Amino acid sequence: GAVVSQHPSRVICKSGTSVKIECRSLDFQATTMFWYRQFPKQSLMLMATSNEGSKATYEQGVEKDKFLINHASLTLSTLTVTSAHPEDSSFYICSARLPGWGGVDTQYFGPGTRLTVL
Amino acid sequence: GDSVTQMEGPVTLSEEAFLTINCTYTATGYPSLFWYVQYPGEGLQLLLKATKADDKGSNKGFEATYRKETTSFHLEKGSVQVSDSAVYFCALSDWKGGGADGLTFGKGTHLIIQP
Repeated sequence: GAVVSQHPSRVICKSGTSVKIECRSLDFQATTMFWYRQFPKQSLMLMATSNEGSKATYEQGVEKDKFLINHASLTLSTLTVTSAHPEDSSFYICSARLPGWGGVDTQYFGPGTRLTVL
Repeated sequence: GDSVTQMEGPVTLSEEAFLTINCTYTATGYPSLFWYVQYPGEGLQLLLKATKADDKGSNKGFEATYRKETTSFHLEKGSVQVSDSAVYFCALSDWKGGGADGLTFGKGTHLIIQP
């Protein structure tokens, strides 16, 4: 159980175009999903928290107009990279929060999406 | 702010050796602690977790004990296998009373096990 999928797994696009990445929780409902970014040989950095039915919360330094997040249902969150540039090339990873006992939650991660902007 | 520090890699060991990967943290609230593993070409998988002081998380022969007095959550395994080769991330989730936030990750430790 607790499987999270992402689509696409890799995408190559031209500079200036927009790319949409989907994150789905396959066997549980997730009111909260998270989007991370991972640079080569570095750790994951939280970009934003996606809440079903409300606006996403962005971390400091992350442009909300560039990285549009929509959490339209309890099993789907999307990240759209608008007007992508080569510096946006990265590995984008989502996670879905599964509530646990006593208020302790666990995040389950998708396999990631490799974005390359030419 | 919250932070996680883990030992730099790569860590190279022979099969059946004892493994320790150190992890220390700073947090302002009541953190839960996690170890995630990323195998080559795959996404992160939860390896184990501990939610309060003195808890021990364990899975697949790996163990880690939540030590509040030393703010540590070191990962150990008594006898590693080649299949344990991966990148290991220590992470925390700092519950501040309003629900868990996104995870704060360490930089990851690349573990290489040689036959």
